Amino acid sequence: DAGVTQSPTHLIKTRGQQVTLRCSPKSGHDTVSWYQQALGQGPQFIFQYYEEEERQRGNFPDRFSGHQFPNYSSELNVNALLLGDSALYLCASSAHRGGSYEQFFGPGTRLTVL
Amino acid sequence: KNEVEQSPQNLTAQEGEFITINCSYSVGISALHWLQQHPGGGIVSLFMLSSGKKKHGRLIATINIQEKHSSLHITASHPRDSAVYICADKNTGNQFYFGTGTSLTVIP
Repeated sequence: DAGVTQSPTHLIKTRGQQVTLRCSPKSGHDTVSWYQQALGQGPQFIFQYYEEEERQRGNFPDRFSGHQFPNYSSELNVNALLLGDSALYLCASSAHRGGSYEQFFGPGTRLTVL
Repeated sequence: KNEVEQSPQNLTAQEGEFITINCSYSVGISALHWLQQHPGGGIVSLFMLSSGKKKHGRLIATINIQEKHSSLHITASHPRDSAVYICADKNTGNQFYFGTGTSLTVIP
């Protein structure tokens, strides 16, 4: 079992650009949550996808969007990047079926916006 | 608004010491997570609990639902335990709220 995987590991972009981050959930998991973790802070919830739909959303602007594919993998898209978007982006998967909801985290994608 | 507070923010201990990290939350929850984050970012789930106590090796997690408080204990601490420990609570809407973490350094 590969666990939760994310790509890329690191990414450098400039202000105004767009970025797409990818996440593959742990085998058997159907729910993917995305978090933003700024340096020295705890993760902040961005949104959660289940059955290819956004089910919950945190306090993030519409520049942050996502998608979940039939194989449960997910993408996070950020448009019009700002310097403040520089952070570690974490993906976590869980199994909605069975009601466990315990989340398993990926290694993260470190985004730097210059 | 759900708030999760951890204490202490930073902790330095000698190898072998017993360590306690505390977590308080403001809203009724359905489960609380304890997570470990090493430098470089990878997060590992240590425990998810909704009542009582769980133990895994040298780690023990307890929760008091009435007092909205949880503790993570590390017995016989070791330098490899050095990491940031984060508590996160899950409300009935299945959304997690994270504390800012406790940075633990265990000195040999």
